[in-house]
Amino acid sequence: EADIYQTPRYLVIGTGKKITLECSQTMGHDKMYWYQQDPGMELHLIHYSYGVNSTEKGDLSSESTVSRIRTEHFPLTLESARPSHTSQYLCASSEDRGPQETQYFGPGTRLLVL
Amino acid sequence: GNSVTQMEGPVTLSEEAFLTINCTYTATGYPSLFWYVQYPGEGLQLLLKATKADDKGSNKGFEATYRKETTSFHLEKGSVQVSDSAVYFCALINQAGTALIFGKGTTLSVSS
Repeated sequence: EADIYQTPRYLVIGTGKKITLECSQTMGHDKMYWYQQDPGMELHLIHYSYGVNSTEKGDLSSESTVSRIRTEHFPLTLESARPSHTSQYLCASSEDRGPQETQYFGPGTRLLVL
Repeated sequence: GNSVTQMEGPVTLSEEAFLTINCTYTATGYPSLFWYVQYPGEGLQLLLKATKADDKGSNKGFEATYRKETTSFHLEKGSVQVSDSAVYFCALINQAGTALIFGKGTTLSVSS
């Protein structure tokens, strides 16, 4: 069973606020990912990391930023939240096994910006 | 480039009906193929996977066979239950292992 955690699970916040979505995994995985899931359920990769001090932007442009100071922790920050950021954010991690790897997902954070 | 196409939902079935959710892919080389499931209010869980041609992945009564000749990975279950109601995602990972590419998801609703 995967051990990957996200907090908060739900967040309602006003426009202009700074928010940080937390993601932690206890599996020692080097690779971590953030996906944005729109109301139509489609998943878009917005950030990923291959390890400590490594961060890359994904396929979907996002105003959020990420950091990877510790292997187990991959927080996502929005400096100034807007209603267009309303979405579900899913964090995932995997071992670096190339085409054999499996990504394990956290429960998600559902964000509503008013 | 790599892409995944899966049948649009919602799929609505009665309990004990047979399920097929179609998935086809476009990829260079020989990607690994996955089915993930997302239950209401939860994150994605790996349902099954196949890493090479003709492999069959199976779990919880679900099956999918990696068909290289038709570039397909259709999900099947012989007898669905109400508890199978969820969104199902087909996905592939490229040979370099740098990206997991998802289909748009298919919502399954099973009624008793």
